[in-house]
Amino acid sequence: DAGVTQSPTHLIKTRGQHVTLRCSPISGHKSVSWYQQVLGQGPQFIFQYYEKEERGRGNFPDRFSARQFPNYSSELNVNALLLGDSALYLCASSRALKRVETQYFGPGTRLLVL
Amino acid sequence: QQQVKQSPQSLIVQKGGISIINCAYENTAFDYFPWYQQFPGKGPALLIAIRPDVSEKKEGRFTISFNKSAKQFSLHIMDSQPGDSATYFCAAIYNFNKFYFGSGTKLNVKP
Repeated sequence: DAGVTQSPTHLIKTRGQHVTLRCSPISGHKSVSWYQQVLGQGPQFIFQYYEKEERGRGNFPDRFSARQFPNYSSELNVNALLLGDSALYLCASSRALKRVETQYFGPGTRLLVL
Repeated sequence: QQQVKQSPQSLIVQKGGISIINCAYENTAFDYFPWYQQFPGKGPALLIAIRPDVSEKKEGRFTISFNKSAKQFSLHIMDSQPGDSATYFCAAIYNFNKFYFGSGTKLNVKP
């Protein structure tokens, strides 16, 4: 079975630009969560989506937004990029809304902002 | 304010030894405590998890010890192997999706 897939794997942007990251969950999983992992730190929760609706939001500015599509795939958008947005962005999927403890993570998209 | 504090930052253990990683939390609303293992270039993978009404959980060589009164929990890796070399994260969850990770422990098991 295919795991969680993310694209692209690596990305380089400059300050002020916009970026879109994509995630495809495991087949049958309806919940997608996004995390930011800065080098040397643990992941930080950004969003959870379930059935195309936002069900949770972490402490991130409005420059961060996301959406989930009818096929349960998801996009994370970041506007007006800052140097501090450089990080590994992880997507995780789980079968149900309240089973995030058993979520499966993708390999991440490494974003570098210059 | 860091919700979950993890130590040590790095750990070197000889093959066959016991690796111990500790975490502490303050928020008593946390109701689930998972541990994740992350290899370079990969996302974290769930290793073992515990609920606060249990003091210990063992799965193979991995054991979580949980001290609710001290608000501390730890991961013990028995008979550590070079293949266990990875970064380990503790986490704490409440309200089913309020997810907080520790800062990670880089484990190096020497052959």
